[in-house]
Amino acid sequence: NAGVTQTPKFQVLKTGQSMTLQCAQDMNHEYMSWYRQDPGMGLRLIHYSVGAGITDQGEVPNGYNVSRSTTEDFPLRLLSAAPSQTSVYFCASSYAGQGIYEQYFGPGTRLTVT
Amino acid sequence: TQLLEQSPQFLSIQEGENLTVYCNSSSVFSSLQWYRQEPGEGPVLLVTVVTGGEVKKLKRLTFQFGDARKDSSLHITAAQPGDTGLYLCAGERGNKLVFGAGTILRVKS
Repeated sequence: NAGVTQTPKFQVLKTGQSMTLQCAQDMNHEYMSWYRQDPGMGLRLIHYSVGAGITDQGEVPNGYNVSRSTTEDFPLRLLSAAPSQTSVYFCASSYAGQGIYEQYFGPGTRLTVT
Repeated sequence: TQLLEQSPQFLSIQEGENLTVYCNSSSVFSSLQWYRQEPGEGPVLLVTVVTGGEVKKLKRLTFQFGDARKDSSLHITAAQPGDTGLYLCAGERGNKLVFGAGTILRVKS
C-alpha cells in the first residue's frame, strides 16, 4: 500500500512555462484535494474532488486546473507559471461521506518559479 | 486574514514542560482536526473532535473542542524532543477543510 504518491518531489520552472503535478492514491478514496503551503499561511485549498468526474474550486484556484478521470489520479496543472506560485504543493485523499474524514497527505512537491 | 487563528506562532520549550496551543475562529465548524507535520513531509492526523465541549486524550496530548464549536486547544504534558514539529488545526466547512497557519513547536533536551 503506497498511500498517496506525488511526483516530482522538486521542480524549477521559468515564468510562463506550464507543467503538471501528479498525484495518485491506492486506497480507493473518493475525496482528493490539492493544497499549497506557504510560510506563515498554513495550507490553502486549491481544488478538490468528491469522486471521478467531479471537481470544484477551493480557496485559491486561479492559475490551476484539475481533472479527475479515475478514482486513483488527481493531477494539478499549472497553465502559465508565475513567481507567486512558488510554494510546496500537497495532495491529499480521504473517504467521502457525511463530513470530512482523515486526510492522508502525500510527501509534497516543492516548486520554484523564477 | 486567517479564518482560523493559531497561537502562539512559535514555541520553544525545555523537555518536561507543559504547553498549550490555541486555535480560534469566529465561525462554527462541523468538526475540527489537528495535524502534526515534520520537515519535508506531509501533515499526519492526530485527532478529530466533533461535539462541542468534547475532550480527547492521546497519551500526553489532550484536545478540546469549544462548546460553541468555534475554537479548540491542544495541551501537551511533559513535552519531549519527539514532539517537535508544526501543529496545524483544520476546521471542516461543507466539503472543505480550512487550515490555521500552524504553531511551530521546538522541544529542547
